[in-house]
Amino acid sequence: DQQVKQNSPSLSVQEGRISILNCDYTNSMFDYFLWYKKYPAEGPTFLISISSIKDKNEDGRFTVFLNKSAKHLSLHIVPSQPGDSAVYFCAASEGAQKLVFGQGTRLTINP
Amino acid sequence: DAGVIQSPRHEVTEMGQEVTLRCKPISGHDYLFWYRQTMMRGLELLIYFNNNVPIDDSGMPEDRFSAKMPNASFSTLKIQPSEPRDSAVYFCASSPGTRRNTIYFGEGSWLTVV
Repeated sequence: DQQVKQNSPSLSVQEGRISILNCDYTNSMFDYFLWYKKYPAEGPTFLISISSIKDKNEDGRFTVFLNKSAKHLSLHIVPSQPGDSAVYFCAASEGAQKLVFGQGTRLTINP
Repeated sequence: DAGVIQSPRHEVTEMGQEVTLRCKPISGHDYLFWYRQTMMRGLELLIYFNNNVPIDDSGMPEDRFSAKMPNASFSTLKIQPSEPRDSAVYFCASSPGTRRNTIYFGEGSWLTVV
C-alpha cells in the first residue's frame, strides 16, 4: 500500500518556466517531508525539506509547499534550468529515521 | 569525505544463484538503510539498522532476502535464491541521526537476474 504517491511519472517544462511537482500521502502521522533529486547512475541526493508545523519552505529556486488538510505537498522550481532535469522523489516520515518514498517523477527541462 | 560505497555496481546473475550486495556507510553514521528502486514502486525501504542492530525489516519481501551488519563499517544484503523479479537497483544509505531524516545514498547496485 503506497503511503506516498507521485501520480505523474513524468513532466516536461520549458527552460525558464516554473516546474511544479506534486506528491500526496495517506498517513496523517507523517510529520516531516523531503524531496530528493536523482540523476542517472547516481544515488538520490537531498534537495529540500519541510516540517509539518510549516506550510512553506524556500531555498533559492526551490520552494516546497505543504497542505496538511489535503495531505498534499508540492515542489516548485523557478526558473527551471536544464540541470534540473532529473527524477524527483517525495519522501515522508513519522518521527523516526525511516523515510517512505514515492515512485518518483522524471522532470525534463527543454531548452 | 567518502560517501556511501556500494559494490558491485552491476551484477548479472542466473536465476537461482546467490547474490550478495555490499555497503560501507559514511564513517560516524549510526543508521544504515537498504532500499530497492523499481519503476512501479519507486524507492522501497527493505530494512534499516541503528548501531548495527536491525530495527525494521518489514520491507524485506521474502525469506530469500537477508541483511546483516556485523560492524559499523560494513553491511550486506543477500538474496538466495535469486529470481528475475528481483532485478532492480539496490541502494544503501546512511544517516548520522542528527539532522532530521536526511539520509545519504550510495550510487546503487544494478542487479539483473536472468
